[in-house]
Amino acid sequence: DTGVSQNPRHKITKRGQNVTFRCDPISEHNRLYWYRQTLGQGPEFLTYFQNEAQLEKSRLLSDRFSAERPKGSFSTLEIQRTEQGDSAMYLCASSSLDRGLNYEQYFGPGTRLTVT
Amino acid sequence: GENVEQHPSTLSVQEGDSAVIKCTYSDSASNYFPWYKQELGKRPQLIIDIRSNVGEKKDQRIAVTLNKTAKHFSLHITETQPEDSAVYFCAAYSGGGADGLTFGKGTHLIIQP
Repeated sequence: DTGVSQNPRHKITKRGQNVTFRCDPISEHNRLYWYRQTLGQGPEFLTYFQNEAQLEKSRLLSDRFSAERPKGSFSTLEIQRTEQGDSAMYLCASSSLDRGLNYEQYFGPGTRLTVT
Repeated sequence: GENVEQHPSTLSVQEGDSAVIKCTYSDSASNYFPWYKQELGKRPQLIIDIRSNVGEKKDQRIAVTLNKTAKHFSLHITETQPEDSAVYFCAAYSGGGADGLTFGKGTHLIIQP
């Protein structure tokens, strides 16, 4: 499968624990995005990377959230001291900055986080 | 920041009829408008998109129209089929330091047999 992949697909954790998710973008894509989706809502933008540089962060991304893309390939999203309100689907998307076709974003299957 | 409104939240149509979903956006700098289809438990899939220098785009049974002056865009699905049943999201992108897509709240499209 050459699409965007995410691991794990599901994560159940207790409040206060730390969790980390991984995203592997489409191999030739240099832009990578993280979104959060709650039930009945559209995805909400969290942050994005161009290569290894984190260029934008949403106000939704509290200090407990951190994202990295150390080698410009895969990315990780860590949530520290999880709260019940963090329960959501975390989606990753990638796009290619190429010949102006840099807008089309392709999504991974998501990681569903449940905080108990 | 950008704000995208989407209507209706639920749309039920008879198989074979047409469906129209409408969105409005607030940021006049937005220049790219994709539509995503999301089936239950699956990833959002890009089905069609339009850039601000184009007024209409078609791909087989689906089409998107854009009115920049009124800041609204619409998805049209003709000859609907059962497999069109899903949640559809519109989105807007303005770039310029806010490089994420801003999504609408979604339309649950139900195709009645």
